[in-house]
Amino acid sequence: DVKVTQSSRYLVKRTGEKVFLECVQDMDHENMFWYRQDPGLGLRLIYFSYDVKMKEKGDIPEGYSVSREKKERFSLILESASTNQTSMYLCASSLGGLAGGRDEQYFGPGTRLTVT
Amino acid sequence: GENVEQHPSTLSVQEGDSAVIKCTYSDSASNYFPWYKQELGKRPQLIIDIRSNVGEKKDQRIAVTLNKTAKHFSLHITETQPEDSAVYFCAASKVSGGYNKLIFGAGTRLAVHP
Repeated sequence: DVKVTQSSRYLVKRTGEKVFLECVQDMDHENMFWYRQDPGLGLRLIYFSYDVKMKEKGDIPEGYSVSREKKERFSLILESASTNQTSMYLCASSLGGLAGGRDEQYFGPGTRLTVT
Repeated sequence: GENVEQHPSTLSVQEGDSAVIKCTYSDSASNYFPWYKQELGKRPQLIIDIRSNVGEKKDQRIAVTLNKTAKHFSLHITETQPEDSAVYFCAASKVSGGYNKLIFGAGTRLAVHP
């Protein structure tokens, strides 16, 4: 079974703090993703990575950065947390290399971040 | 960029009834359409998907249909059961470079009442 884990289930931070969210997958997947989930807005892609040290912006990258130094680990960084970044953050990974075919994304359990 | 609209946002049915969730997409080059189910407090999981060269796909009580001309696709659940209660997300993507960058709809909260 694919296992995607996230460093925290719940996190409370203050405005202006630097926040690190970590995601680890154990299935040697090429691709990793960070989403935020807000009611009525679905899952919105923040950043993704298709290889070590590679990153691509998603649809809402502003205020976030990412790091992928090892294949199994993908970190999301909030340089200076703001209240509008209060959300559920979901990490996902996929095998990759299947152009035109299924490339199922496996999600982590999520981190509920509150910025006060 | 790609946009995916999903309707309805909430759906309430009696056990045994059918449920239909509809999505439209904007990018005609999209070629992969998965559906994810998220039960309360759990992570989203893929339940069915369809590629653009197929018009319909079925897996037991769930089926997905795709109309490329109209750029819409639908999820059909027959003989609904209480365990079908969840939020369902449709998504569309244009596969390139070996990865799927999914654009998700806003989600449909399905409630199945016994």
